[in-house]
Amino acid sequence: KQEVTQIPAALSVPEGENLVLNCSFTDSAIYNLQWFRQDPGKGLTSLLLIQSSQREQTSGRLNASLDKSSGRSTLYIAASQPGDSATYLCAVRQTGVNTGKLIFGQGTTLQVKP
Amino acid sequence: NAGVTQTPKFRILKIGQSMTLQCTQDMNHNYMYWYRQDPGMGLKLIYYSVGAGITDKGEVPNGYNVSRSTTEDFPLRLELAAPSQTSVYFCASSYSPMTALGPQHFGDGTRLSIL
Repeated sequence: KQEVTQIPAALSVPEGENLVLNCSFTDSAIYNLQWFRQDPGKGLTSLLLIQSSQREQTSGRLNASLDKSSGRSTLYIAASQPGDSATYLCAVRQTGVNTGKLIFGQGTTLQVKP
Repeated sequence: NAGVTQTPKFRILKIGQSMTLQCTQDMNHNYMYWYRQDPGMGLKLIYYSVGAGITDKGEVPNGYNVSRSTTEDFPLRLELAAPSQTSVYFCASSYSPMTALGPQHFGDGTRLSIL
């Protein structure tokens, strides 16, 4: 059974720092991995999607990497800003069954202090 | 540019009452999903649909029912509300061509309390 883990559960950094959020998964048979942002009281916004054949994806100050063989993904945020404060969730989509089901980690809540 | 729309945004129910959470999407996505999110937890899949007329159970389907009569709508029904169903419910959709599965798009959620 696939399990997705995000450590740490919470992170607080000063503005301007570069930071890395971690996501690990137990079964490497994934189709893709998706990083989401969730603001308090809001839904999820898709940030980056990495297909299993890809090593990384970039969008602005965000860079997501994927190492399928080791069951790890990282989300790198450059030059963090207070507006980056949110909960970040990763989710994997399994291969084998074409249902599109996602398995989520518990999330990392990030606070960027001015 | 509506995307995925959920109604209502908030609701308080008494134990044993029933209600339907509405979800509609205007992106012509064939895949739709219902998740619940409990405090400090990730999302767990309740039900999903790969197209109109086709639904299937996710990880936590007990106490819920769904239907998918159109591509756009995917309502979630609670028949006998229980305190354990207090949660935030998210609807999502994605487009699935034959060779790739696209990112999921989420609604803003329905915050449901059962008292």
